[in-house]
Amino acid sequence: QITLKESGPTLVKPTQTLTLTCTFSGFSLTTTGVGVGWIRQPPGRALEWLAHIYWNDDRYYSPSLKSRLTITKDTSKNQVVLTMTNLDPVDTATYYCAHLNGNMYHSFDHWGQGALVTVSP
Amino acid sequence: DIQMTQSPSSLSASVGDRVTITCRASQSVRTYLNWYQQKPGRAPKLLIYAASSLQSGVPSRFSGSGSGTDFTLTISSLQPEDFATYYCQQSSDALVYNFGQGTKLEIK
Repeated sequence: QITLKESGPTLVKPTQTLTLTCTFSGFSLTTTGVGVGWIRQPPGRALEWLAHIYWNDDRYYSPSLKSRLTITKDTSKNQVVLTMTNLDPVDTATYYCAHLNGNMYHSFDHWGQGALVTVSP
Repeated sequence: DIQMTQSPSSLSASVGDRVTITCRASQSVRTYLNWYQQKPGRAPKLLIYAASSLQSGVPSRFSGSGSGTDFTLTISSLQPEDFATYYCQQSSDALVYNFGQGTKLEIK
């Protein structure tokens, strides 16, 4: 059974750096074809893909946010960490991590419950 | 970047109706197109992958079709639990896996 859970601060001040951790179970990030992605959703708005990382350490970022994002993995801890710098109130959103299945046309087939992050002074 | 455009943005329908949602890509994504359902306050759920493959556990009233740039998600007979927001997502461009803007399906 695959599960994922996001953790991190709920309130961040503008210009600060956000660090979110995705802790997962039921799969390994050393398995060929497997990845973990981050997707966010501002209140009342659409899903926005942010980044993903694969078992082979290939990393991909949203072009509009690439300069602010870093994604890393720790296979020994079953964790993926997303760092976003220079936060702004428009970054207020629910942040999801999801299992990326490279053997199912790179679909996000399991999702965490999401973590709401508010950016406010 | 490949842009994904869904239509309509919102849709009102009744239980038992047949509903079709369209997703168009700005360039070919072959069949690397996935559909998700999201209910308020919940994480998205994968319904369809590879344009037409039904995810395990998803009712057979959901179906997907298309290839290249034009795709459809069809619900053959709407059930009360199907009222939600639906998103398409392309995974053809290895660098960017973006979503459409969503289609909100409401009860008429």
